[in-house]
Amino acid sequence: DGGITQSPKYLFRKEGQNVTLSCEQNLNHDAMYWYRQDPGQGLRLIYYSQIVNDFQKGDIAEGYSVSREKKESFPLTVTSAQKNPTAFYLCASSTGLAGFYEQYFGPGTRLTVT
Amino acid sequence: DAKTTQPNSMESNEEEPVHLPCNHSTISGTDYIHWYRQLPSQGPEYVIHGLTSNVNNRMASLAIAEDRKSSTLILHRATLRDAAVYYCILRYSGAGSYQLTFGKGTKLSVIP
Repeated sequence: DGGITQSPKYLFRKEGQNVTLSCEQNLNHDAMYWYRQDPGQGLRLIYYSQIVNDFQKGDIAEGYSVSREKKESFPLTVTSAQKNPTAFYLCASSTGLAGFYEQYFGPGTRLTVT
Repeated sequence: DAKTTQPNSMESNEEEPVHLPCNHSTISGTDYIHWYRQLPSQGPEYVIHGLTSNVNNRMASLAIAEDRKSSTLILHRATLRDAAVYYCILRYSGAGSYQLTFGKGTKLSVIP
């Protein structure tokens, strides 16, 4: 089955530690995205990538970093510089960036930092 | 992206049709109408999208008003699995429309 996988589902970290969230897709999509969702809120875009070896900051990129070395993979690192890292993180992909493409989401990773 | 307005919540009986409305009076000619839904603690799920004509797929139908200022998502037979928050989103079809902007959405409850 084609889809997006994110691991782990739940992640716990101590404050001051960097943590990397995994996102893999086998849909052969060029574009990939990372969103953050806080309780009762909508999604906010962290980073997006249109193609391998290229990525752009979204609205809330501070304290996060990404890489796109392979088409299938778009890992997100939450650094110690991110002031409020506890959130639900969602990875998505689409054929392209244009507005007529639908985005497909992974199941999400719930990160708790204490 | 232009703004959409949806009711906060709706209820439906199981196995009955559900019509979820969305108003988007400031829609532009190049905006696509997308619908997504999100179950608790899960990632959003794409439902359907369209531009001008009504659209059908295995999940739902999308009815778009002639003036495009409103649309309706139709679930033909609601099941308990359809209980979710449904989001109506407008997306510009050109370059730069790279993110989904989720509003509050409509929380659909399905009564057994």
